[in-house]
Amino acid sequence: NFMLTQPHSVSESPGKTVTISCTGSSGSIASNYVQWYQQRPGSAPTIVIYENKQRPSGVPDRFSGSIDSSSNSASLTISGLKTEDEADYYCQSYDSTNHVLFGGGTKLTVL
Amino acid sequence: VQLRESGPGLVKPSETLSLTCNVSDYSISSGYYWVWIRQPPGKGLEWIGSIYHSGRTFYNPSLSSRLTMSVDTSKNQFSLRLRSVTAADTAVYYCARDREYHFDYWGQGALVTVSA
Repeated sequence: NFMLTQPHSVSESPGKTVTISCTGSSGSIASNYVQWYQQRPGSAPTIVIYENKQRPSGVPDRFSGSIDSSSNSASLTISGLKTEDEADYYCQSYDSTNHVLFGGGTKLTVL
Repeated sequence: VQLRESGPGLVKPSETLSLTCNVSDYSISSGYYWVWIRQPPGKGLEWIGSIYHSGRTFYNPSLSSRLTMSVDTSKNQFSLRLRSVTAADTAVYYCARDREYHFDYWGQGALVTVSA
C-alpha cells in the first residue's frame, strides 16, 4: 500500500527557511498531485499548497511546494518564518484506486 | 462556501455514529466530491470517504465494512453512518469539499466520543 511519510517535527528560528518533506513509500509520488495543509491548534486544516506547487489566494508567497522524483518526495518550503507559521502540516495525495492518503503530519516549531 | 457538521457528541460502543454536513452558499448538485475526514485526539488526519452528488462513493478500505455515506441534494447535505463503533472511533470529524484533488473548504469539526 502506498503511504506518505513525514518527519514528526521540525524547528527553526524566525526569519529562517524550513523545508518539510513528504516521502512516498512505493510507486511514483509524481503520479498524483500532492497537497499541503496547515492546522493550528483547535482549528480545522486549511490548504496552503495544491497540485504540487499552486498557492491558493490569500496564502503568502513565503509558502512554496515542489516534487523531487529522484527521491520520490514532495516538499513544503516556508521562507521568512513567522511565529504565526507554527502549526502542524500535513501532505495529502491519492493512491492508484483514487483513495485519499494523508501523511502523518509534521509539527513546526518557530523559536 | 460554508460547511457545518451536526450530530450526537456521544455514542455508546457497538452503536452507530451518525453525522450530517450541511452545505451553504454552494449547491452540492453543482459538482465536486464531498468528503469526511477524522482526527483522533492528538493524532493525524484520516480520510473516511468521499461522495459525489450522484451518490457515487469511495470509502477508506479500513472502514468500508462499517461505513455508509449518503447525499441529499434537496437539503444540500451529505451524511455519514459508521456502525459498530469502538473507542478507537473517538475523533473530531470534519466534512470538506474536494475541489479536484484538494480540500478547499472545511467544516469546523465535530467531536464524537465513543463511551458507555
